[in-house]
Amino acid sequence: DAKTTQPPSMDCAEGRAANLPCNHSTISGNEYVYWYRQIHSQGPQYIIHGLKNNETNEMASLIITEDRKSSTLILPHATLRDTAVYYCIVRVATGQAGTALIFGKGTTLSVSS
Amino acid sequence: GAVVSQHPSWVICKSGTSVKIECRSLDFQATTMFWYRQFPKQSLMLMATSNEGSKATYEQGVEKDKFLINHASLTLSTLTVTSAHPEDSSFYICSARGTGALFNEQFFGPGTRLTVL
Repeated sequence: DAKTTQPPSMDCAEGRAANLPCNHSTISGNEYVYWYRQIHSQGPQYIIHGLKNNETNEMASLIITEDRKSSTLILPHATLRDTAVYYCIVRVATGQAGTALIFGKGTTLSVSS
Repeated sequence: GAVVSQHPSWVICKSGTSVKIECRSLDFQATTMFWYRQFPKQSLMLMATSNEGSKATYEQGVEKDKFLINHASLTLSTLTVTSAHPEDSSFYICSARGTGALFNEQFFGPGTRLTVL
């Protein structure tokens, strides 16, 4: 069963912020929220992950609501190279040897000039 | 760091032949490796999980005798598609879980495009 819900597609203008939502209303207390993206015909690329605090790295920011039932991935200044399928995944991060990332359908982000 | 490579990047074979795909963790040791399959316009589907030195665990619906997985070392796992048929044509992606500080991270290879004629 899918643990996350994402819109199937989104559009964004180049240079603008892209805000990708994810609903994970059944998340458990020990599950992290991971974001990966897949550019066409390539392997998935790690973006960011978090537990309950907002996180930021050189690629993006992750905003997690206080009840942890949803989150938003923010690409602050989208470029054409950010066009990809973005996957939001919840997973226990510790003490689960062998637990694989399970991918849903993701959101196809199209960045246009 | 934390690079995963796959070889070959693409392969075309005749129906009935076997194809081997290699997955290597280049700069870290991977006690666990995962194999995924992705059909066009679909998401990644987990096929199997392999731990170094033990038998792979296959997901429901994946034939273990058709998709042979060997994880003989901490840096190499292989997937052999035996007696390949056109319906096996797909994008195969491996992923490796590190040890120590990398235990909770899963790193992906670039994928292998298999076309069976």
